[in-house]
Amino acid sequence: RKEVEQDPGPFNVPEGATVAFNCTYSNSASQSFFWYRQDCRKEPKLLMSVYSSGNEDGRFTAQLNRASQYISLLIRDSKLSDSATYLCVVNIGYSGGGADGLTFGKGTHLIIQP
Amino acid sequence: NAGVTQTPKFQVLKTGQSMTLQCAQDMNHEYMSWYRQDPGMGLRLIHYSVGAGITDQGEVPNGYNVSRSTTEDFPLRLLSAAPSQTSVYFCASRGGTALDGYTFGSGTRLTVV
Repeated sequence: RKEVEQDPGPFNVPEGATVAFNCTYSNSASQSFFWYRQDCRKEPKLLMSVYSSGNEDGRFTAQLNRASQYISLLIRDSKLSDSATYLCVVNIGYSGGGADGLTFGKGTHLIIQP
Repeated sequence: NAGVTQTPKFQVLKTGQSMTLQCAQDMNHEYMSWYRQDPGMGLRLIHYSVGAGITDQGEVPNGYNVSRSTTEDFPLRLLSAAPSQTSVYFCASRGGTALDGYTFGSGTRLTVV
């Protein structure tokens, strides 16, 4: 299993601003891609899956570039409640069995300032 | 639905003791996995299972055993605890569609003294 790299931050951003995170993954066999959010001393929670064509969920937009092995997350109109650690995650597993399990980046710490 | 339930939430062990961390899910998920999270290391995969009776090793399996006798349960056994196993342990499960992602339990904080 290979690595997922992301900038640890912290990113200090004023409320209402737009912030972007990037990560790269080294295992070209990766099949599915995610952004998880983790609050202090809590379990990771799925923020959004990342589709090849890119996808949006409210204020959040994720992009995937398989050729460059690059994943991004954009947060618009940031809220105080967005303060958390954002984890870039890949899975070599797919829907047909075989090897599975997530490989995590070390996370990017985001602090939204009032 | 309770989701993924882990017990205990906190545990202190002495070096050399053994114990089992419990994990149960009520979502009829095929896939389950265990992770440990250490400061500065991120979450790392210990073992995973793609269905009842099928398990395999992840990135850091040494010192841990698993079994999957039912779809619901995926216990993690520490055979002889060492201080290096002090960590937060998370269990997770997912259904058959990989892009649905894994759902995590609330974790077990283990200290080995």
